Amino acid sequence: DADVTQTPRNRITKTGKRIMLECSQTKGHDRMYWYRQDPGLGLRLIYYSFDVKDINKGEISDGYSVSRQAQAKFSLSLESAIPNQTALYFCATSDLMREGLDEQFFGPGTRLTVL
Amino acid sequence: GQNIDQPTEMTATEGAIVQINCTYQTSGFNGLFWYQQHAGEAPTFLSYNVLDGLEEKGRFSSFLSRSKGYSYLLLKELQMKDSASYLCAAKDSNYQLIWGAGTKLIIKP
Repeated sequence: DADVTQTPRNRITKTGKRIMLECSQTKGHDRMYWYRQDPGLGLRLIYYSFDVKDINKGEISDGYSVSRQAQAKFSLSLESAIPNQTALYFCATSDLMREGLDEQFFGPGTRLTVL
Repeated sequence: GQNIDQPTEMTATEGAIVQINCTYQTSGFNGLFWYQQHAGEAPTFLSYNVLDGLEEKGRFSSFLSRSKGYSYLLLKELQMKDSASYLCAAKDSNYQLIWGAGTKLIIKP
């Protein structure tokens, strides 16, 4: 079984709709992240959480919200989807190890299209 | 501003060696990461450098020069399965990763 799972894997929706993307992990990691990836651009951080009671905005949080329901679950919501939110969304987890190394483990991604 | 620069695309021959360069400008620095991403898949971790020098891991090595804001990923004995995008990411003073757009590596027989 995959350590980091995302649902749905693909979603097509219309402008103005509310969308929730879900992420679950069995790695036991405290840290979880949501990124979006667009062609020709690097991964961009939307939100991150270092534990259940900790939520932080990333580089591009406008138009998005998150919920950390448990250590293992981190959901991303688009309150009112717009076409420029069409992208590939990745959830990732990590745990701090030696000398600042916190290797991130990524889910398979959710391809979201907003019409 | 914060910025990561790496070539958009590189081509190499099976069995050869290729070096993918990355330069970074970040507010503070707390480590440099390399990830591999096959088309349509999630990124996977390759290497991490926080001190100057070379880290070797099998066919892959990564080098860091903090004074120059420079890193490279060296891939030896290239195989067709190495065809992928290679993502460079630097951790800034807030311990957040700043990602480059990735280098698409094409391996030819």
